[in-house]
This record gives sequence, structure tokens and C-alpha cells, in this order.
Amino acid sequence: GQQLNQSPQSMFIQEGEDVSMNCTSSSIFNTWLWYKQDPGEGPVLLIALYKAGELTSNGRLTAQFGITRKDSFLNISASIPSDVGIYFCAGSSTSYGKLTFGQGTILTVHP
Amino acid sequence: NAGVTQTPKFQVLKTGQSMTLQCAQDMNHNSMYWYRQDPGMGLRLIYYSASEGTTDKGEVPNGYNVSRLNKREFSLRLESAAPSQTSVYFCASTARTDTQYFGPGTRLTVL
Repeated sequence: GQQLNQSPQSMFIQEGEDVSMNCTSSSIFNTWLWYKQDPGEGPVLLIALYKAGELTSNGRLTAQFGITRKDSFLNISASIPSDVGIYFCAGSSTSYGKLTFGQGTILTVHP
Repeated sequence: NAGVTQTPKFQVLKTGQSMTLQCAQDMNHNSMYWYRQDPGMGLRLIYYSASEGTTDKGEVPNGYNVSRLNKREFSLRLESAAPSQTSVYFCASTARTDTQYFGPGTRLTVL
């Protein structure tokens, strides 16, 4: 089956620092999504990417759909304590919305 | 507009017991999904329903059954629970084929 490798697995940063995380796939995806999960909650969609090479921003978050369609990147600028959580990438290559998820990046922000 | 709701929030079962996890969405979405989340493994698709009246297996369907009761409701049943099914279960729905909205999850422990 499809595999998604997400890195890093965890990050410990100081408030105000920028964060970068990425996902790579063994196969091509038509859509890349980035979700955030707070403790005890379900994942919440942050950014959706639909075209190879696409660069999309949502406030302090910026994500890119890799031109090979096998990778995606998420950057968070000027991190704040509420950025703490688990970030997941997900890819879709089917018409029924079946998503393959990365293992997640656990982000800790020290004030 | 409650989005995606799941019941129960917590459940403890003994090995061999059965139970049904309930999911409902009020967004008039066609497609619904059941995932399980285990530490370090992201979310893995158990079953999905592309539209009312259809269901299909995902990545990890063994030990589970589903019912798409109507457009709003999609239930997940464990006929004979096993300790390996201890996990957090998430239901999701989508109108378009990729942007999935998640419920708050059911935390299941099988002793």
C-alpha cells in the first residue's frame, strides 16, 4: 500500500522560532492536506493543496505541494504556545477521498 | 450545526464483548470514514462509505463491520473485541473527495 513518511517525529522549539516539517510518499498523490490535532480532539484541517507546485498560506502557516507530487512541506512562522499539537500530512489519490496519513509531528513550543 | 458527532467518548470492554460506535454528521456529506489512531502510526482507515448504501474496506478492516444507516449516520461494530483493538477511533465525513472533517473520537480500551 501507499506509504507516507513524515519528519521530524517531534520538535521542541522556543516561542518565536520558525518550524518546518515535510512528508514524502512512495507514490503520487493528487491532493495533499495538512491537519493539526490538539490533545483529546479530532484532527482539524489547516491547508489543502490541489496542484503540483502550489504554495498556499493560512496566516502564519505555509504549505507547498511538491512538483514531483510525491512530497509536501509545511512551515509555521513565529511560533506561539497555541501551536502545540500533532501535525499530520495526508495524501489522496482516489476519487473517494481515501486519505493516507503520515505518522505525525509532535510540536512542543517553550514560552 | 454540530459537524461530526461520535458516541460514546470513552468505553472499556472485556475481551470478547461486542459494541457499536456511533457517528453522525449534519453537513449533508456523501462520504463517511472510520479511522483508528495508535501512537506513532498516524490514522489508518478501517472502512469507508463513498455514498449512502455503499461501504468498502480500508487499510485495517479485520475485526470490524460497518453500517451506513442513512446519509447522516455511519456506525462501526466490533463483534468480539480484542486487546489489539484498543485505540482511539475517529469518524470523518466529506462533501468533496478530500477535505475530511473529523469527529472528537472514541477512546476504547479492551482488557
